[in-house]
Amino acid sequence: GAGVSQSPRYKVAKRGQDVALRCDPISGHVSLFWYQQALGQGPEFLTYFQNEAQLDKSGLPSDRFFAERPEGSVSTLKIQRTQQEDSAVYLCASSFVGYEQYFGPGTRLTVT
Amino acid sequence: SQQGEEDPQALSIQEGENATMNCSYKTSINNLQWYRQNSGRGLVHLILIRSNEREKHSGRLRVTLDTSKKSSSLLITASRAADTASYFCATDGILTGGGNKLTFGTGTQLKVEL
Repeated sequence: GAGVSQSPRYKVAKRGQDVALRCDPISGHVSLFWYQQALGQGPEFLTYFQNEAQLDKSGLPSDRFFAERPEGSVSTLKIQRTQQEDSAVYLCASSFVGYEQYFGPGTRLTVT
Repeated sequence: SQQGEEDPQALSIQEGENATMNCSYKTSINNLQWYRQNSGRGLVHLILIRSNEREKHSGRLRVTLDTSKKSSSLLITASRAADTASYFCATDGILTGGGNKLTFGTGTQLKVEL
């Protein structure tokens, strides 16, 4: 079956631009997670949804980061006024509640 | 912030040799998991060990957990070139609603040469 998909796979943005990153989770998975992975580091938690409810956003680094999942399936991570320090791979994962997380291939964001 | 650190940061071995990676973490855990990440691909779940377990096997993988030392090790036996990847340990904490927030270590880059 289809796994978690993310688009675009690569995004180059000029500093100050807004970007939107999309995640299509595995069908039926209630939980959806966003992680940020800087070069040479492990992924770091950003935010968590259960269905359409955003239950934890403690990892979002600033108020420029916003995530939504309006219908409880597809999710979008939006970054406003991008900065160079936002350059990273953004990973999405989905799961049944409390079970193994399945990760997508990630979106590599480069801010120039 | 990262939960822990993997050791070594990088490891290069010959095909057929065993590879051992270590992970240390800081806080009490429910479970510890190991993931593999290939270049250009997402994270793949390898194995989960619960806090009340000391050792677990899955194929060529062996994981140990020492909660008193807050450390875990991953052993890959009879390594293959296809095992070349970055390996991460991750601990989980319970989120509101029952989800598991994963906190990853810094990773070990394994290179298996022919």
